[in-house]
Amino acid sequence: AIQLTQSPSSLSASVGDRVTITCRASQGINSALTWYQQKPGKAPKFLINDASNLENGVPPRFSGSGSGTDFTLTISSLQSEDFAAYYCQQYSSYPITFGQGTRLEI
Amino acid sequence: EVQLLESGGGLVQAGGSLRLSCAASGFTFSSYAMSWVRQAPGKGLEWVSAIAGGGGSTYADSVKGRFTISRDNSRNAVYLQIDSLRVEDTAIYFCAKMRCLGGCRFDAWGQGTLVAVSS
Repeated sequence: AIQLTQSPSSLSASVGDRVTITCRASQGINSALTWYQQKPGKAPKFLINDASNLENGVPPRFSGSGSGTDFTLTISSLQSEDFAAYYCQQYSSYPITFGQGTRLEI
Repeated sequence: EVQLLESGGGLVQAGGSLRLSCAASGFTFSSYAMSWVRQAPGKGLEWVSAIAGGGGSTYADSVKGRFTISRDNSRNAVYLQIDSLRVEDTAIYFCAKMRCLGGCRFDAWGQGTLVAVSS
């Protein structure tokens, strides 16, 4: 199974900060990576597809990049509603796997 | 608007069984693969099982042989039969619609149903 390792596991930041979360795959997955946002007690929300394509309605302060084994999710200017957990997921091959998550805290 | 509504969770003793259901609406159900993804308390997301629109299925190794996914396209519903429950199966179980193009990801999620397994 392809393992995804996110870093950091948790991150403290302030409104207006620029933050970057990384996701590293144990083998090359081209651009077969998505990012999800999950707020406490809620279902995950699909943010970014194919490593860099924002889903409809996702604010442009979110961006994704990467290919192969190294990927990043960047939030250019944190807003209060962005404090949540973020997960990467690969769909290059089954079993589908997720990173362990990054908790973004105030 | 896509809606997914899970039901069937509860408290069960280890070794018991449960059947989870997910009622779908807002899209052409038979055209999409569906999955179950779980999240243990305070932990990350774990993909459990997927089923194609035509019924082909696949499972995570951790549940193979104990979990069975099925669907009824006439009822717009997907199910997860969970047998031989273990304490480590305690989790919120999410139903998710899959977008499969060059691989499958989850573009809509239900609110989840809690399965709690006691020893």
